[in-house]
Parts: sequence; C-alpha cells; structure tokens
Amino acid sequence: QSALTQSASVSGSPGQSITISCTGISSDVGGYNYVSWFQQHPGKVPKLIMYDVLNRPSGVSTRFSASKSGNTASLTISGLQAEDEADYYCSTYTSSRTVVFGGGTKLTVL
Amino acid sequence: EVQLVQSGAEVKKPGESLKISCKASGYNFAIYWIVWVRQMPGKGLEWMGSIYPADSHSTYSPSFQGQVTFSADKSISTAYLQWSGLKASDSAMYYCARPTNGVWTDLDYWGQGTLVTVSS
Repeated sequence: QSALTQSASVSGSPGQSITISCTGISSDVGGYNYVSWFQQHPGKVPKLIMYDVLNRPSGVSTRFSASKSGNTASLTISGLQAEDEADYYCSTYTSSRTVVFGGGTKLTVL
Repeated sequence: EVQLVQSGAEVKKPGESLKISCKASGYNFAIYWIVWVRQMPGKGLEWMGSIYPADSHSTYSPSFQGQVTFSADKSISTAYLQWSGLKASDSAMYYCARPTNGVWTDLDYWGQGTLVTVSS
C-alpha cells in the first residue's frame, strides 16, 4: 500500500496560518473518518495532535484544526509560533484493515 | 498514568535475531491494542502492525508481514517485536504506541523508542 501524499515542506511567518494537506484514495482517507495527525520535533517522540479527522486531544493547542473533503485531509495551524516548527504526519485507517502514514511535511517557521 | 517503556538501544550483526520490548503500566494492558511504528534514519513513520494482548491477535502491514513477529505477555504487561534474521535495512528507531480507544490511528501514548542498528 502506498503512503499518503503530503507536500515535503511548508513554511510561514509567526502569526500566519498554514495548511498541510494529506491525499489518499477512496479506500483510505475517503472511506473512513479515522484520520490522525502527529507532530514530531527533531529527535523526539511523535505526538498526536488531531484524531478522527477533527478532534483535538486534551492539552493540544486550539491553534490546531483539521478537516477532510473527499480523499484529502487537511491540518491547519493558525497563529504560527516558533515552537510549531516540526515534522507533521497524517495517518488513516484503510480498507485492508491496516493503517498508512503520510510521507511527512516539514514545517519551517520563518 | 499510562506509560510505555521500551528496551534499550541494540547493535546487532546481519543475520542475528533480536527481540525488543515495550512494558506498559497505568492501565489494563490486555484490552488495548499495541501498535508498532518504524522510523528509518531521516525518514517518515511507517505502521508495522498491531497486537491485541488479550488474545495476541496480530495484524501486520503487508510491508512487514513475514519479516517481524509481534507477541505479548499479559502477566508482565509487555509487548514484543522480534526478528529472526536481521538485515542492515532493519536499522531504524522502533516505537510502540497505544491508541486512546480501539482505533489504531489514535495513538495517544508512545514509548520512548528503541534504536536498532544492524551492521557488520
């Protein structure tokens, strides 16, 4: 199975908003409301920041939001802060009863 | 408090076997899936598969089916990931993680990772 498609990198200035997209197919992203997003700082453990498409775990900043339309899921970070600079991964359940991750997007805060 | 504590870094030679562990605490280990995730150096996250400790039912990603084996020991709340013949391409960081509920994508709890280096 192929990894979900994410742009390799995105950048923004402090205070701006950015959106990271995650594209799959009808048998994964498009077929289930089980899309999650993870943030990973260099050398650190991944952290769940969004789950079930648009739900935010307790303790995660409200500056993070997410949505899904068809086969594409999106993560939006508003009011960018320096601490948001990290790698971001999407993941989804698939019709093969497995999970697949996206290739990851490196966010640079200018 | 839910915690997953993984075994320490390993350096092995090609062809050797290896079993790394993930010890859980703070919850009923048997009734929550444990998921294994690989991250090769400088690369992204890869879902390897999952195991349900209550009955050791396992699901493997096609990419890892036949390459690794999951197991679990409920008596000591520990999950394992093992290889019978390591390859250099198995060099990576391996994470265990636990979903918040039964959904394999909702990985709210993670171990600290086990770095495996395979080199002759």
